Amino acid sequence: NAGVTQTPKFRVLKTGQSMTLLCAQDMNHEYMYWYRQDPGMGLRLIHYSVGEGTTAKGEVPDGYNVSRLKKQNFLLGLESAAPSQTSVYFCASSQTGTDVNYGYTFGSGTRLTVV
Amino acid sequence: EDKVVQSPLSLVVHEGDTVTLNCSYEVTNFRSLLWYKQEKKAPTFLFMLTSSGIEKKSGRLSSILDKKELFSILNITATQTGDSAVYLCAVGTGNQFYFGTGTSLTVIP
Repeated sequence: NAGVTQTPKFRVLKTGQSMTLLCAQDMNHEYMYWYRQDPGMGLRLIHYSVGEGTTAKGEVPDGYNVSRLKKQNFLLGLESAAPSQTSVYFCASSQTGTDVNYGYTFGSGTRLTVV
Repeated sequence: EDKVVQSPLSLVVHEGDTVTLNCSYEVTNFRSLLWYKQEKKAPTFLFMLTSSGIEKKSGRLSSILDKKELFSILNITATQTGDSAVYLCAVGTGNQFYFGTGTSLTVIP
């Protein structure tokens, strides 16, 4: 019963490097989300997807790209990392957007540091 | 612009105290309000509220929603050190949840 799995859990990047964060869910959920969490800022939505092959921008999409080629996977890419992207990234999923009885299912988070 | 505001930002209490955390919101197409507890990892779900005036309760925690005044409160009675965490409020609008910045609660023995 894995739920939502994020890889990697930790990563240090140099400015300008690229990387991809992977989110995988085994609950057949339609909706998937990428959030970032910074001190004093709460959780802010980067991008989300309402189904396989779809993506949409959230509150803070600049500097990130996403893809949802398979229903179970939602990838977050940083093409040219910047120190401002140092954060903790959470992936989440749900079956019917916000019309669920228990909110999202969250992954355990990825702590990314850009130096 | 949709927004969720939590207060206070932080709180330090002694074990046994009762605390009240506040969440106010301004969103279009309100569908639900959720409370989460976060302890240095992913948030864990506490309550979902959709109707005004109906209290949800789980042990020492309870929460209520006022859709007319656009706010919710989370009460914790007889606090314990294990209640120390950040409490997040999130408002659902259909496709996504908007999160507040959280209230950091510290319970000292």
